[in-house]
Amino acid sequence: DVKVTQSSRYLVKRTGEKVFLECVQDMDHENMFWYRQDPGLGLRLIYFSYDVKMKEKGDIPEGYSVSREKKERFSLILESASTNQTSMYLCASSRPRTGTETQYFGPGTRLLVL
Amino acid sequence: AQSVAQPEDQVNVAEGNPLTVKCTYSVSGNPYLFWYVQYPNRGLQFLLKYITGDNLVKGSYGFEAEFNKSQTSFHLKKPSALVSDSALYFCAVRDRYNFNKFYFGSGTKLNVKP
Repeated sequence: DVKVTQSSRYLVKRTGEKVFLECVQDMDHENMFWYRQDPGLGLRLIYFSYDVKMKEKGDIPEGYSVSREKKERFSLILESASTNQTSMYLCASSRPRTGTETQYFGPGTRLLVL
Repeated sequence: AQSVAQPEDQVNVAEGNPLTVKCTYSVSGNPYLFWYVQYPNRGLQFLLKYITGDNLVKGSYGFEAEFNKSQTSFHLKKPSALVSDSALYFCAVRDRYNFNKFYFGSGTKLNVKP
């Protein structure tokens, strides 16, 4: 079974703090994704990566950056957290891009920025 | 603009009755279509997908979905609902020619009552 783990289930941070969200997958997947999930808006793609050190912006990259130094690990960074970044963050991974591949999701990190 | 619509925020059905969760999309060409389910405090799990071929796709836990090209719909169905089917359901669409574009609907909360 594919396993995608996220470093924290719940996180509380203060405005202006630098926040790191970590995601690790154990299936040697090339692709990794970061989404945020908000009620009524579904999932929105922040960034994705299709290889080590490669990244592409999704639909809402502003205020976020990412790092992929190793194949199994994909980090989401909030350089200076703001209250409008309070959300559920979901990481996902999948096999190489064919368009048909299934994404496997982690359990999510619920971030509260005060 | 490309988008995915789940017109119902919530669907209520009685256990044993058939259920339908609706999804329509507005993506050019012939997209790839997916359904995911999210149980409370969990990440998303893959249910089924349509790539090509037969318009009726069967997936996990007895769910199926029907692709209708003329109506640009991909409704999720199950002949007999279980209380354990209660969860949040997401429709997702991927552009067949631009794999970087992956759109999720806003989600539909399914409540199955005993």
